[in-house]
Amino acid sequence: GDSVTQMEGPVTLSEEAFLTINCTYTATGYPSLFWYVQYPGEGLQLLLKATKADDKGSNKGFEATYRKETTSFHLEKGSVQVSDSAVYFCARGGSARQLTFGSGTQLTVLP
Amino acid sequence: GAGVSQSPRYKVAKRGQDVALRCDPISGHVSLFWYQQALGQGPEFLTYFQNEAQLDKSGLPSDRFFAERPEGSVSTLKIQRTQQEDSAVYLCASSFERDLTYEQYFGPGTRLTVT
Repeated sequence: GDSVTQMEGPVTLSEEAFLTINCTYTATGYPSLFWYVQYPGEGLQLLLKATKADDKGSNKGFEATYRKETTSFHLEKGSVQVSDSAVYFCARGGSARQLTFGSGTQLTVLP
Repeated sequence: GAGVSQSPRYKVAKRGQDVALRCDPISGHVSLFWYQQALGQGPEFLTYFQNEAQLDKSGLPSDRFFAERPEGSVSTLKIQRTQQEDSAVYLCASSFERDLTYEQYFGPGTRLTVT
């Protein structure tokens, strides 16, 4: 069935460091891909999305490119801030409409 | 505009009690989803409604779990005879019917603790 494999955390970085969180998905069909973020004490928020191969989603300095050939959707940010500390979830949509999530990556950014 | 709301935000139940969790989706969103998020894990799908029709309940873990959306708006997730393994955050999400990207908007969740 559909699945998403996400880089395990926790990840701890210094402010202004480069961030990569890896995500790969099963290649069934042509899913939409998402990154959601969960800040402490808050609900899941959509960070960015991509709906077809080679699309790049971007928001708040974060980017991810839909790579069909490697079935990947890695999240990147060039310079992280303390306020980026959160849990990040990769997810895929599918023909069944529900989202399938990875297990989440806890990011802590130190000043 | 209002987002997805859920109530209660926190619920403590003694083992064996029944609980009911409420979700108010975004107005006009036809699709509604329930997910269960265990501590330290990603959300896992429970069930899906399109209007009042429950089109998929394949993720419900047992027959103690029941969901309804009788008028196609508010939904209730009911758990009967709660067990400790039911302790989790229950998330509700909604989306436009015609959004083929399947983007979903999540509520804040209800944290259920079964003692």
